[in-house]
Amino acid sequence: NFMLTQPHSVSESPGKTVTISCTRSSGSIASNYVQWYQQRPGSSPTTVIYEDNQRPSGVPDRFSGSIDSSSNSASLTISGLKTEDEADYYCQSYDSSNQVFGGGTKLTVL
Amino acid sequence: QLQLQESGPGLVKPSETLSLTCTVSGGSISSSSYYWGWIRQPPGKGLEWIGSIYYSGSTYYNPSLKSRVTISVDTSKNQFSLKLSSVTAADTAVYYCARSTGVFDPWGQGTLVTVSS
Repeated sequence: NFMLTQPHSVSESPGKTVTISCTRSSGSIASNYVQWYQQRPGSSPTTVIYEDNQRPSGVPDRFSGSIDSSSNSASLTISGLKTEDEADYYCQSYDSSNQVFGGGTKLTVL
Repeated sequence: QLQLQESGPGLVKPSETLSLTCTVSGGSISSSSYYWGWIRQPPGKGLEWIGSIYYSGSTYYNPSLKSRVTISVDTSKNQFSLKLSSVTAADTAVYYCARSTGVFDPWGQGTLVTVSS
């Protein structure tokens, strides 16, 4: 089994850009797609990025995803931060028989 | 629009079996493109995948829970179910069901299950 490690929290000001990392412990980050979910308090998670860098319809293009094989990590970047982006963000990936979530990152926009 | 809804007891006694059902509406659970999964979230903590099932009944489970988990599907009712045996307080969580293609989407609203005597 592998793990996905995220920073516990990040904070940034409105209008700025923030990047949240997700590092895979074993196996290549490029071998299986990475997804990112946003979870606001009291709500179910919703998808903001799927298949490494694809945005579902309705998700603003301020959200983007990428992977970096050299660091074996994925990243979620949110530009032009808005107060409504304040939430918990989870990365998720899989291998042949397991689904794995990162521990989550609390984004504070202040 | 596909919707999922969890249902089941909100309180389970220690050592007993937790049982939840997810009802799928707005689409068929028998679609060949999708798995159907259970995910949980203890209060104030992160997400943990429990397991997933294909409409044919093929399952795969989180190795850390495998000995206690059973997921089944009832295509006639467009439902799939979770059973988690020998529960302890550590199993207290919001339990979500979701469709899975690699990405979990959409999710149900979640149901809080508390393990307490």
